[in-house]
Amino acid sequence: QKEVEQNSGPLSVPEGAIASLNCTYSDRGSQSFFWYRQYSGKSPELIMSIYSNGDKEDGRFTAQLNKASQYVSLLIRDSQPSDSATYLCAVNGDAGNKLTFGGGTRVLVKP
Amino acid sequence: EADIYQTPRYLVIGTGKKITLECSQTMGHDKMYWYQQDPGMELHLIHYSYGVNSTEKGDLSSESTVSRIRTEHFPLTLESARPSHTSQYLCASSDAQGNEKLFFGSGTQLSVL
Repeated sequence: QKEVEQNSGPLSVPEGAIASLNCTYSDRGSQSFFWYRQYSGKSPELIMSIYSNGDKEDGRFTAQLNKASQYVSLLIRDSQPSDSATYLCAVNGDAGNKLTFGGGTRVLVKP
Repeated sequence: EADIYQTPRYLVIGTGKKITLECSQTMGHDKMYWYQQDPGMELHLIHYSYGVNSTEKGDLSSESTVSRIRTEHFPLTLESARPSHTSQYLCASSDAQGNEKLFFGSGTQLSVL
């Protein structure tokens, strides 16, 4: 079992809709959770971080964390074609302070 | 804005050559990382460093080596390149204060013929 799991997609959403991405992790002691966006051929860029249970909103993005169920999700509201990218979930495990990345979910926003 | 630089951006080289991929950051970050990523695939950590003279192997076995003589510089070396080393190599850094927010360089796309 992978330490951080994501559905590879592609997740196809119409422009203006909400894109919902999920990520589960295996290390119950994980403390920090991140969402990175990676455009094709580019390097990942951080878009959200979350450290405590609940929701965190930043513009059109909302991260949701549930440590008891060991999942973290990302909502993209009012999806735009420019949101088409691969979204990587990353988790800071309890030991070693190293980030573990999921395989990413590819999102396609269709006009 | 992150200030982390990788050179070269693209490298095509023949089998058996020695290569060094450069990575420098001007943010004073103590932690630096090298990731390997094939197209459409996940990131794999191959090396990391928590400070000067500190280097560790990552989760993915790699024939490359790294050094950290200066805080800002974290080069990766392949003594003898092979076609199996063809991949994208991403350098990243983070603040030692925690949170592990990584800032990535633009990557080096390596092709070994």
